[in-house]
Amino acid sequence: DTGVSQDPRHKITKRGQNVTFRCDPISEHNRLYWYRQTLGQGPEFLTYFQNEAQLEKSRLLSDRFSAERPKGSFSTLEIQRTEQGDSAMYLCASSPRTAYEQYFGPGTRLTVT
Amino acid sequence: GQQLNQSPQSMFIQEGEDVSMNCTSSSIFNTWLWYKQDPGEGPVLLIALYKAGELTSNGRLTAQFGITRKDSFLNISASIPSDVGIYFCALRPGTYKYIFGTGTRLKVLA
Repeated sequence: DTGVSQDPRHKITKRGQNVTFRCDPISEHNRLYWYRQTLGQGPEFLTYFQNEAQLEKSRLLSDRFSAERPKGSFSTLEIQRTEQGDSAMYLCASSPRTAYEQYFGPGTRLTVT
Repeated sequence: GQQLNQSPQSMFIQEGEDVSMNCTSSSIFNTWLWYKQDPGEGPVLLIALYKAGELTSNGRLTAQFGITRKDSFLNISASIPSDVGIYFCALRPGTYKYIFGTGTRLKVLA
């Protein structure tokens, strides 16, 4: 088991561009989460998938954000028309259905210039 | 909504000292998670705390519920330089959404 992986680890983009991040959860984990973390803060919940179904979205997730998990395995998070305020660490986590523990990936650091 | 407050916000300690930090919620919860995060990395799960009245250990780390079960403590014994980082507590107030505390920043002086 290789743990949760995220790609890319770092992304620098210009304001107005679109970016997409990928998360590969631990295999057999059917629960997948996206979080955003800004400097000095704890992770903030963005959205949750159970298998391929997106069951909850935070109010933090504006219309410019979209997430998918098409086959219930990997997930993508897309940000359209990026703004400087989108600069943050985007974290993915997964959890098995029957357990409380949640495991994080290394994160994608987004910098919008 | 539910908030988790951690104390202290930051602490400097000498290598070899024991450390204790606290996380407080406004409600009773039966399960607490403790994470450590290094700069530029994702949080790493340290301890999942399930049983009130018992210590849960992971090497030099121990965690336990507070008396009211509205709080939890994480203790680190004989701190070493690699204990440096930010420690977060986390809860799942509902079915699947997790919330995280404000973090305790630990710095160890060799």
